[in-house]
Amino acid sequence: KNEVEQSPQNLTAQEGEFITINCSYSVGISALHWLQQHPGGGIVSLFMLSSGKKKHGRLIATINIQEKHSSLHITASHPRDSAVYICAVRPNTGNQFYFGTGTSLTVIP
Amino acid sequence: DAGITQSPRYKITETGRQVTLMCHQTWSHSYMFWYRQDLGHGLRLIYYSAAADITDKGEVPDGYVVSRSKTENFPLTLESATRSQTSVYFCASSGTVSSYEQYFGPGTRLTVT
Repeated sequence: KNEVEQSPQNLTAQEGEFITINCSYSVGISALHWLQQHPGGGIVSLFMLSSGKKKHGRLIATINIQEKHSSLHITASHPRDSAVYICAVRPNTGNQFYFGTGTSLTVIP
Repeated sequence: DAGITQSPRYKITETGRQVTLMCHQTWSHSYMFWYRQDLGHGLRLIYYSAAADITDKGEVPDGYVVSRSKTENFPLTLESATRSQTSVYFCASSGTVSSYEQYFGPGTRLTVT
């Protein structure tokens, strides 16, 4: 049972487009984690959120705790942004994260 | 270099063999985790450890054994490998529960024939 749903599953964009990836979850959480996985397989942490909004370069992550929803935005997308973006949530109880199946993003030059 | 490493990076083994995947981190992080990643599934937690000599089951622990005698090492053993354990395995670590952020190793691609 996957408590984390991501949409879309696959996304193709033209270079320069604004991109939004969504993550919805069903339980109360203490933290939400956005990760990036490049085609080579390595997984990199992008953001850890418990409320509000965070920005790093062209990436912005927001979370609405009441609606159990988070979004990851990429402004001025670039082919090097092509990767799988993964959302993970840490429920209020327990010590583990639950992961979405990822959104595969391809940015075309 | 500081970081989290896994070995081997690729492994092919036969059904019924014992296999050990190694994970080593140089940050002295308290928490360490083992995940498997399969098509159609998100990363799934196999086992985790809150400190040396403290381990606990995750979502999919059957067929796996872990130990943590030293803070920096967290080996994962498949006692009798099965084809269903063909997967990519990721080790991760995080400093404290309150920090939450996890840092991942490069992964081990395991094929069981």
